Amino acid sequence: SQKIEQNSEALNIQEGKTATLTCNYTNYSPAYLQWYRQDPGRGPVFLLLIRENEKEKRKERLKVTFDTTLKQSLFHITASQPADSATYLCALAYFGNEKLTFGTGTRLTIIP
Amino acid sequence: EAGVAQSPRYKIIEKRQSVAFWCNPISGHATLYWYQQILGQGPKLLIQFQNNGVVDDSQLPKDRFSAERLKGVDSTLKIQPAKLEDSAVYLCASSSRQRQETQYFGPGTRLLVL
Repeated sequence: SQKIEQNSEALNIQEGKTATLTCNYTNYSPAYLQWYRQDPGRGPVFLLLIRENEKEKRKERLKVTFDTTLKQSLFHITASQPADSATYLCALAYFGNEKLTFGTGTRLTIIP
Repeated sequence: EAGVAQSPRYKIIEKRQSVAFWCNPISGHATLYWYQQILGQGPKLLIQFQNNGVVDDSQLPKDRFSAERLKGVDSTLKIQPAKLEDSAVYLCASSSRQRQETQYFGPGTRLLVL
């Protein structure tokens, strides 16, 4: 079965630096990969989607890359702010099936 | 546009009792999902509805969990009888037919089974 690993349980980054989170998967490549943000006591919020045939996507200070050879996605937050502190989840979906499989998440803390 | 609504927000029950959760998706969203999120883990899909039909319930423990979406709008998820390992947050999400890839999540119901 598909296994999704996110690089670490927790990541502490100094304010203003770039935070980089990793999502690795096993087996076959997904049709697309998504990143969500989850704050304590709240449901996940969709951030970005990147498809199998795309290398990079950007949205404001966010950037996602997708390398199907390495079976890896990287999620970057540039010029990080304390308000970016949250848990970030990656999720995969496969062709013909909108069912999302989530990783365990990385808890990001931006230190002022 | 109102988001996905869920109730109750918190529930504490004893094992072997029953419990029900309610979800009202975003208006017009045809697809509705129920997820279970255990502390420290990512959400796990329990069941997916397209209108009032079940698309995927492969990970739903059918001996104790049931869900319905009678009129293709609101949905209820029931656990009967509850076990200690059912303690988790139960998330409801919905997506539109035009943008089915993007799921919008509710705030979740936090269940504690004692």
